Amino acid sequence: KNEVEQSPQNLTAQEGEFITINCSYSVGISALHWLQQHPGGGIVSLFMLSSGKKKHGRLIATINIQEKHSSLHITASHPRDSAVYICAVNTGNQFYFGTGTSLTVIP
Amino acid sequence: NAGVMQNPRHLVRRRGQEARLRCSPMKGHSHVYWYRQLPEEGLKFMVYLQKENIIDESGMPKERFSAEFPKEGPSILRIQQVVRGDSAAYFCASDDRAGGYNEQFFGPGTRLTVL
Repeated sequence: KNEVEQSPQNLTAQEGEFITINCSYSVGISALHWLQQHPGGGIVSLFMLSSGKKKHGRLIATINIQEKHSSLHITASHPRDSAVYICAVNTGNQFYFGTGTSLTVIP
Repeated sequence: NAGVMQNPRHLVRRRGQEARLRCSPMKGHSHVYWYRQLPEEGLKFMVYLQKENIIDESGMPKERFSAEFPKEGPSILRIQQVVRGDSAAYFCASDDRAGGYNEQFFGPGTRLTVL
């Protein structure tokens, strides 16, 4: 069993839709990260969370430490949001990654 | 302020050769992380380094792989006697505090192809 599980693996949405990507983890963590990997391969760090909720523009990330669960929401999705979204947890010095959610937003 | 730099961006090696991947962290960052992304797989942690110290190398294969982050110059990930299974994208990230408690900034990656 992987330490980090993401769902769904693949997601196709119409432009404008509200999108949710889920992440569950099974280890004790000091922080959780949401990353975005574009088709060209570059990786951008979107959020680092240790509790509560963060918002950047149309992106919202939440974490529930007791339930070991995090969600990434995208409001008013746009084709440029098409990418792979990766959940990663930090247990101290060690990092574990989910396998990613591939999002395609259709105009 | 330049971001994390990695070079080369693409590297082709024949089986048995050595591969040296370089990572220059963001200015002011003293912590470097190396990750590997095999084809069709997720990212895997390899090693966490500070200047002149390896903090955690639990994700490194036991043989042929080594990493360093000298006092001066970039961090180097070295793979000796490469095999086809080493073909992957290798990403470096840096931050300015220990253990990933701060946001990490990723480099563009080095794509290694072993023929």
